[in-house]
Amino acid sequence: ELKVEQNPLFLSMQEGKNYTIYCNYSTTSDRLYWYRQDPGKSLESLFVLLSNGAVKQEGRLMASLDTKARLSTLHITAAVHDLSATYFCAVDGGNQFYFGTGTSLTVIP
Amino acid sequence: DAGVIQSPRHEVTEMGQEVTLRCKPISGHDYLFWYRQTMMRGLELLIYFNNNVPIDDSGMPEDRFSAKMPNASFSTLKIQPSEPRDSAVYFCASSRNRGYEQYFGPGTRLTVT
Repeated sequence: ELKVEQNPLFLSMQEGKNYTIYCNYSTTSDRLYWYRQDPGKSLESLFVLLSNGAVKQEGRLMASLDTKARLSTLHITAAVHDLSATYFCAVDGGNQFYFGTGTSLTVIP
Repeated sequence: DAGVIQSPRHEVTEMGQEVTLRCKPISGHDYLFWYRQTMMRGLELLIYFNNNVPIDDSGMPEDRFSAKMPNASFSTLKIQPSEPRDSAVYFCASSRNRGYEQYFGPGTRLTVT
């Protein structure tokens, strides 16, 4: 079974700071997704990464994929309070989709 | 488009009762997914369909769970009989194809007492 590990699980950061969330997975895949979930809400797609070296950016968030290292990163630049949420990575493992444990981000004013 | 529609939004039932959750995917999306989210186990894929055909149901916890997709615009997830450990939020999602983002519905919060 494919395993997807995110770290950190919890992240508290000040507004204006930068930080990176890491997503490691245990088997070969070239399809990785990032989602955001606000408390009590559904999941919202952020990025779809489909090849080694893929990089996508939207606002203060940038995601990248290294399929050889089986690693994806979600970089947050100059955090603002509105980014407080739980972030999930998900990997397409062939017949199954596996979600990471999630990273709960709190941005402190 | 209205997005993925799920009903009911909340369901409270007693142990042993049958529960049916409903989902209408986004029109034109060929894939439909059922997920369960709990604090203990996180987000788990239960089953998914491609063009109304079940592709992988290895995530379905046991025989008490069943899912159907009789047509491209409707799917059900049924639990019979329900147990307290089935309490969770159940999400339905759809996507245009593999390699595309999944659009999640608002979820059904199920409580089994």
